[in-house]
Amino acid sequence: AQSVTQLDSHVSVSEGTPVLLRCNYSSSYSPSLFWYVQHPNKGLQLLLKYTSAATLVKGINGFEAEFKKSETSFHLTKPSAHMSDAAEYFCVVSGGGGGNKLTFGTGTQLKVEL
Amino acid sequence: DSGVTQTPKHLITATGQRVTLRCSPRSGDLSVYWYQQSLDQGLQFLIQYYNGEERAKGNILERFSAQQFPDLHSELNLSSLELGDSALYFCASSPYLGGTEAFFGQGTRLTVV
Repeated sequence: AQSVTQLDSHVSVSEGTPVLLRCNYSSSYSPSLFWYVQHPNKGLQLLLKYTSAATLVKGINGFEAEFKKSETSFHLTKPSAHMSDAAEYFCVVSGGGGGNKLTFGTGTQLKVEL
Repeated sequence: DSGVTQTPKHLITATGQRVTLRCSPRSGDLSVYWYQQSLDQGLQFLIQYYNGEERAKGNILERFSAQQFPDLHSELNLSSLELGDSALYFCASSPYLGGTEAFFGQGTRLTVV
């Protein structure tokens, strides 16, 4: 079985400071991992993906994530937060079995303050 | 715009009724997934179809059913609706059966009154 655990349900940062959203995964297979973002009343947008190529993955809007197998982690970072980054972020794992079931974490609500 | 189209955007219906949610995947995508998002359950995987066949099943109630048609669009049927079925229902699509990201539609917000 595969699962992800997002370690913080809420994160609050000041504009211009770094962002760190933490995610640990569990998978019996070599996982594919993703981060999605959901702005209020919007759909889910793919931020970035890891599919066993480079362990440091760059995504849209300045976000990046590092796959660390030894720590079973896939934390999302951004050097400098912007007000428009305020949203809910989901860590997602895929892989294993006969389908492409995407298993979502419980989400981290990011608040960006002036 | 992800290229995945869901209709309708909003739906209000009474308990006991039946509704159909529709999804058109991105051009060329063979896989379609349905997810339910509610405040208490988060994002729950319901079901996946690939090229017309059911390939994975999640926490889908027996009152719910889905199908994927030859033109690859999909429908999610919800019957005997209860207040607790009120949620945001997302459809997503991807080109392959597994191991890739999925692209999500804007969702259908279902309110059962």
